[in-house]
Amino acid sequence: ETGVTQSPTHLIKTRGQQVTLRCSSQSGHNTVSWYQQALGQGPQFIFQYYREEENGRGNFPPRFSGLQFPNYSSELNVNALELDDSALYLCASSQARRNTEAFFGQGTRLTVV
Amino acid sequence: GQQLNQSPQSMFIQEGEDVSMNCTSSSIFNTWLWYKQDPGEGPVLLIALYKAGELTSNGRLTAQFGITRKDSFLNISASIPSDVGIYFCAGQLPYYGNNRLAFGKGNQVVVIP
Repeated sequence: ETGVTQSPTHLIKTRGQQVTLRCSSQSGHNTVSWYQQALGQGPQFIFQYYREEENGRGNFPPRFSGLQFPNYSSELNVNALELDDSALYLCASSQARRNTEAFFGQGTRLTVV
Repeated sequence: GQQLNQSPQSMFIQEGEDVSMNCTSSSIFNTWLWYKQDPGEGPVLLIALYKAGELTSNGRLTAQFGITRKDSFLNISASIPSDVGIYFCAGQLPYYGNNRLAFGKGNQVVVIP
């Protein structure tokens, strides 16, 4: 049990729709990162939030956006969903320091039809 | 982006045997992390390595941070059925304040009773 919780656990959306995924970070952690994991692949870094600002972004289009709140929880928003957005979306919380451990939530399985 | 190469992709081992897996990269990392992921779950942190040459154990697991900072290995001794899962290596890039992780594609381990 990492203390990182994500909601919802599963959802199905239609192509073109918008989706919001949520993450509560582990107590004492001030940084939240989001990853996309396609079937059979390792997680791919989407972006990271620290002090309510985006702090690094991977190779994902602008329709992937996020927020971090004062309590360090975070949201991932994806607009104009595409079929290829179907994946497990993982949230990881950590401390903002050079060498740190990242702890993952159980993920949200998004299916776009 | 950074590519981590994990080998072999899948392994079938007898219960009680030791298993070893490698992770290599063309990039230097500050931190190496090893995770285990069960189906439908988020990755669970097994071992974190912070210094080149460091050898760390966690129960039956042993991992080492390569001297060149471009590789790491994980050993599981005396495997048991619950060791089944996908093992991911992850490297943390050397950028302070942005601890994004780059993941390998994973090693699937199957333990035969």
